[in-house]
Amino acid sequence: NAGVTQTPKFQVLKTGQSMTLQCAQDMNHEYMSWYRQDPGMGLRLIHYSVGAGITDQGEVPNGYNVSRSTTEDFPLRLLSAAPSQTSVYFCASSTGQGGTGELFFGEGSRLTVL
Amino acid sequence: GESVGLHLPTLSVQEGDNSIINCAYSNSASDYFIWYKQESGKGPQFIIDIRSNMDKRQGQRVTVLLNKTVKHLSLQIAATQPGDSAVYFCAETSGGSYIPTFGRGTSLIVHP
Repeated sequence: NAGVTQTPKFQVLKTGQSMTLQCAQDMNHEYMSWYRQDPGMGLRLIHYSVGAGITDQGEVPNGYNVSRSTTEDFPLRLLSAAPSQTSVYFCASSTGQGGTGELFFGEGSRLTVL
Repeated sequence: GESVGLHLPTLSVQEGDNSIINCAYSNSASDYFIWYKQESGKGPQFIIDIRSNMDKRQGQRVTVLLNKTVKHLSLQIAATQPGDSAVYFCAETSGGSYIPTFGRGTSLIVHP
């Protein structure tokens, strides 16, 4: 059981470039989310989805787009990368049953924007 | 929204000691709490959870204590081992929400 798989693990971009961070889960979880983790800042929610076709903004959505065309996949798009988006990005999923279970996290994608 | 925070950003202990990691939360409506462990270069992993109708829950070498009166959560690790070295996060939800609020994290360093 692979759980939550993120690709790529490492990426270097130049300012203004675009890219997509991929996230896939094989647990049939309804809820998926993207976090960014910066030193001393903990985990901050970027976007989340409660099911295919449904997405919503989290705490820090600016500069990022998401879509959820299938239950399994939840890609995160950076339209025009900025140095402030240098961070480690984590995708997470859960059953979506509120208050009953934990998030399952991927291994992270480390992004550097020059 | 309301925040979840930690008292100590770094905790250093000797192998074999008991460790206590603290977490303060401000949302009085919080009713479900989780502790996560994040090892270097990896994603956070579930350790233990507790609901607001409990004040203590035990796992293997870990115990979570909840004091709703002062809105305080703690994670106790017995006989701490070098493999316990990691960053520990508390997270909370309220009202059946599936979107947790995370604290900033505490780095636990275990010296052999």
